[in-house]
Amino acid sequence: LAKTTQPISMDSYEGQEVNITCSHNNIATNDYITWYQQFPSQGPRFIIQGYKTKVTNEVASLFIPADRKSSTLSLPRVSLSDTAVYYCLVGTGNRDDKIIFGKGTRLHILP
Amino acid sequence: DGGITQSPKYLFRKEGQNVTLSCEQNLNHDAMYWYRQDPGQGLRLIYYSQIVNDFQKGDIAEGYSVSREKKESFPLTVTSAQKNPTAFYLCASTGLAGSEQYFGPGTRLTVT
Repeated sequence: LAKTTQPISMDSYEGQEVNITCSHNNIATNDYITWYQQFPSQGPRFIIQGYKTKVTNEVASLFIPADRKSSTLSLPRVSLSDTAVYYCLVGTGNRDDKIIFGKGTRLHILP
Repeated sequence: DGGITQSPKYLFRKEGQNVTLSCEQNLNHDAMYWYRQDPGQGLRLIYYSQIVNDFQKGDIAEGYSVSREKKESFPLTVTSAQKNPTAFYLCASTGLAGSEQYFGPGTRLTVT
């Protein structure tokens, strides 16, 4: 299983674009990169998943360089409600591949 | 309305008692998971099940037990052998391999 490294915490201001980078140097060929968001006392919620280059949905963008050893979650124009913990996960999701959550990045949006 | 339900939301028990946490899903997912989360920490995998009547230990299975008799249900029992059972417990499920995990609302267990 590829281990991931993220910043422990980040602060930003409302209206800004926030980029959270995740390192996964040992990512395997079949691994996908998935990001989740968690609010206090709630279960995590899926944000976005990608394999290479760029993926965009209505919530965020995910940038993955050619070597796939890192990835960046980009949140455009954040609001106070984006204050949460963000987890980067790497894995195949196959039957024998456990899904491992690290400590995540605690994002605090300031007014 | 499809989703995962966990009950109860809050649970209080005395030390030395076993307690079972409920997790039900109507998403027709094959795989189900139990995680534990302590304050300010990430999620740690307790047990997971990829198919009915089969389950595997996660990273912190000691003091816990599970069953998977039905596809929809994956109850977790916190036994008296678990030394620090007070935590937030989350249940999740996935459908196709590689797809996203869906989480329940969680059960906050307090043991005194």
